[in-house]
Amino acid sequence: ETGVTQTPRHLVMGMTNKKSLKCEQHLGHNAMYWYKQSAKKPLELMFVYNFKEQTENNSVPSRFSPECPNSSHLFLHLHTLQPEDSALYLCASSPVPISYEQYFGPGTRLTVT
Amino acid sequence: QQQVKQSPQSLIVQKGGISIINCAYENTAFDYFPWYQQFPGKGPALLIAIRPDVSEKKEGRFTISFNKSAKQFSLHIMDSQPGDSATYFCAASMHGGTSYGKLTFGQGTILTVHP
Repeated sequence: ETGVTQTPRHLVMGMTNKKSLKCEQHLGHNAMYWYKQSAKKPLELMFVYNFKEQTENNSVPSRFSPECPNSSHLFLHLHTLQPEDSALYLCASSPVPISYEQYFGPGTRLTVT
Repeated sequence: QQQVKQSPQSLIVQKGGISIINCAYENTAFDYFPWYQQFPGKGPALLIAIRPDVSEKKEGRFTISFNKSAKQFSLHIMDSQPGDSATYFCAASMHGGTSYGKLTFGQGTILTVHP
């Protein structure tokens, strides 16, 4: 595997479910990010991790819970989501913390029913 | 003040034509302006970027023009090809303060190049 990978690519979940999104980067980077991409809206930064430490939480509701066990892996734990949380969730990494040049994964298309 | 406004929302160009996408910003602390390209089913990928100390940067068929006084920058795609059909995002970032390196994205432009 090369670059940034995300699993699953598609996820449908009910409002009472608990699920997790996984991201893995194979680039040796030390910063990782979660973004939300909704139709006709700019990419929204959710969380930033720098050397496994969370350095940014962009006022994200607590029903989204990130986890970064090491510099290569990032998770987004989901619980009691709302239909408006349906979106494409993108993971990215960069070689330095909060870098201008970010490398994105293909995203997880999430649908909340 | 953190917003980056991008236009048009969608653009249709004939093969061989010039595609132009414009962005405007308010925060004068922004000092790095990348463009990202996103194909369907893929994440955005860095295409080209410029710093405000230059007025133009060219990489192949892609050129960024930067107007610091007007706080505007634009992406020009020369000799547009069907393979350029994608969504393009402008972004802005800054060196200093708590927003160091954090990217602020425009709303995106869906480019369609007809053969």
